[in-house]
Amino acid sequence: QKEVEQDPGPLSVPEGAIVSLNCTYSNSAFQYFMWYRQYSRKGPELLMYTYSSGNKEDGRFTAQVDKSSKYISLFIRDSQPSDSATYLCAMSVGPTGANNLFFGTGTRLTVIP
Amino acid sequence: GAVVSQHPSRVICKSGTSVKIECRSLDFQATTMFWYRQFPKQSLMLMATSNEGSKATYEQGVEKDKFLINHASLTLSTLTVTSAHPEDSSFYICSARDQRSYGYTFGSGTRLTVV
Repeated sequence: QKEVEQDPGPLSVPEGAIVSLNCTYSNSAFQYFMWYRQYSRKGPELLMYTYSSGNKEDGRFTAQVDKSSKYISLFIRDSQPSDSATYLCAMSVGPTGANNLFFGTGTRLTVIP
Repeated sequence: GAVVSQHPSRVICKSGTSVKIECRSLDFQATTMFWYRQFPKQSLMLMATSNEGSKATYEQGVEKDKFLINHASLTLSTLTVTSAHPEDSSFYICSARDQRSYGYTFGSGTRLTVV
């Protein structure tokens, strides 16, 4: 079983739709949860960073962590064509040490104008 | 915010030659940098941890002699793919962590094609 599972998609939605992206994980010790956005042929950029359970909102983006279910989500409201990218979830036990950072496979999202 | 610059963005080389990829932290010092490899439609795979002033730490299955890492200063790490073969063709990405912020900052990646 992989440490982090993420549906690779692809996911296509019309402009303005609400997008829900999800990851599940198996290691209950994960405490730090991140969402990265990666455009084609580019490196990932950090979108959201959360610690432990709860919600975090930043503009049109909301990250949710449910540690009891080992499930994290990223919601995108009023999706735009510029949101078309691959979204990667990542998580770690501690705040540092990339050798303990586990990535999902990424979900490819296309927002259709 | 933190910026990591990676060069070149694309490189095509002949089989048997070596290619050097640079990763620079532009506005912060990074004692540790990380090198990843990403195949199409797959996630990031950590290859090695680059430590300033000391030897890199390689992940299991990564050939140290093929992927040479040098971290000569607090802002620069290099990855050299030696005697490249077509199977080394991939997308290579570096990252570093700015202590002033959360998460890791990634470079823009280098697409290596070995012909």
